[in-house]
Amino acid sequence: GAGVSQSPSNKVTEKGKDVELRCDPISGHTALYWYRQSLGQGLEFLIYFQGNSAPDKSGLPSDRFSAERTGGSVSTLTIQRTQQEDSAVYLCASSPWGAGGSYNEQFFGPGTRLTVL
Amino acid sequence: AQSVTQLGSHVSVSEGALVLLRCNYSSSVPPYLFWYVQYPNQGLQLLLKYTSAATLVKGINGFEAEFKKSETSFHLTKPSAHMSDAAEYFCAVSDLSQGAQKLVFGQGTRLTINP
Repeated sequence: GAGVSQSPSNKVTEKGKDVELRCDPISGHTALYWYRQSLGQGLEFLIYFQGNSAPDKSGLPSDRFSAERTGGSVSTLTIQRTQQEDSAVYLCASSPWGAGGSYNEQFFGPGTRLTVL
Repeated sequence: AQSVTQLGSHVSVSEGALVLLRCNYSSSVPPYLFWYVQYPNQGLQLLLKYTSAATLVKGINGFEAEFKKSETSFHLTKPSAHMSDAAEYFCAVSDLSQGAQKLVFGQGTRLTINP
């Protein structure tokens, strides 16, 4: 079946512009995650959505970052007034949800490479 | 808070040689541990995971890892390296705080295979 897809695959923008990154999770997966992969910081968690619950935004680095998930499916990560330090690969992952607190594998998309000039 | 340390940002081995990638974790509760592989310009792919069952975990592509609680380690091994194993490898621990199952990653180890 189809995996997690992300668009665009590459995005080049100028400092100060806003950008939107899109993630299409695997159909039926109720959990969705955003991670950022950068040279200086490695792979870091940004935000997590689970069903209709309030998202866990504890990893967002500043208030310029926001994300939404419409209809429990597609998610958009928005970065306002981009800065050069926002340059990174933004990875999305989705997973099914199991009862009893069991862990469910996260399936990753190919990422969006963001370059801020 | 949970954390992961990968020893060695770069590892180079000859084709056919043993691959050993080191990972140590810190966790106040029994952890779930993972190894992911990332090929150039691709997303992360799960190699194997430890979720409190058998301590020796076998994964895809001939890789395996052993959970050693006394050493807080989860090192990744493969008996014989293949050229196609060249990639970046990430060790991760699952953080179940506040109900989230976010992954906390190590800094990654880039594996190079010499012909």
